[in-house]
Amino acid sequence: NAGVMQNPRHLVRRRGQEARLRCSPMKGHSHVYWYRQLPEEGLKFMVYLQKENIIDESGMPKERFSAEFPKEGPSILRIQQVVRGDSAAYFCASSPQGGYNSPLHFGNGTRLTVT
Amino acid sequence: SQQGEEDPQALSIQEGENATMNCSYKTSINNLQWYRQNSGRGLVHLILIRSNEREKHSGRLRVTLDTSKKSSSLLITASRAADTASYFCATPSADRGSTLGRLYFGRGTQLTVWP
Repeated sequence: NAGVMQNPRHLVRRRGQEARLRCSPMKGHSHVYWYRQLPEEGLKFMVYLQKENIIDESGMPKERFSAEFPKEGPSILRIQQVVRGDSAAYFCASSPQGGYNSPLHFGNGTRLTVT
Repeated sequence: SQQGEEDPQALSIQEGENATMNCSYKTSINNLQWYRQNSGRGLVHLILIRSNEREKHSGRLRVTLDTSKKSSSLLITASRAADTASYFCATPSADRGSTLGRLYFGRGTQLTVWP
């Protein structure tokens, strides 16, 4: 039973380019969360999605960032016109339910470096 | 902010010793969760303790929760070199209207266990 799969593991982009990060949740999980981690910091919530719906995007910058979780295929976090400050590790997590007591299953992350 | 804060920031011990990490948080919670993160990897869920529980065990892990002091501790007994990792506490928001499943993470405790 495969865990949460994220790709690519490492992504290097020049300033101004677009970064596209993919996440396939665990089988049977329909709730997906994206978190960002800066060096020496804890994870910061960005967005919560269910299939075809954005439930909460309050942690995601309003400009340049977008996320989707289509009916078919992985969830995508898209960062347009990247800047150096976007360099971080981006983690996707999934859960079978969205309740308080549903632990999250994390992928190994995508490390984005903006040069 | 409801963010949990772990203490100490870093802990270095010998194999066989016990490791204790503490977490404090600010608002009411439904549960508190502990996660482990090995270098360069995603977070792995260790244990969840509900707000009406005071203590919980899982293998060599023991978690306590004191809601009156808004604090929790994670004890790893008979530590091993393989326990070397960062440990994070996380709390879901209990605020009305907040997103179910959204977690607030602390900055973590970096545990190093020397063989």
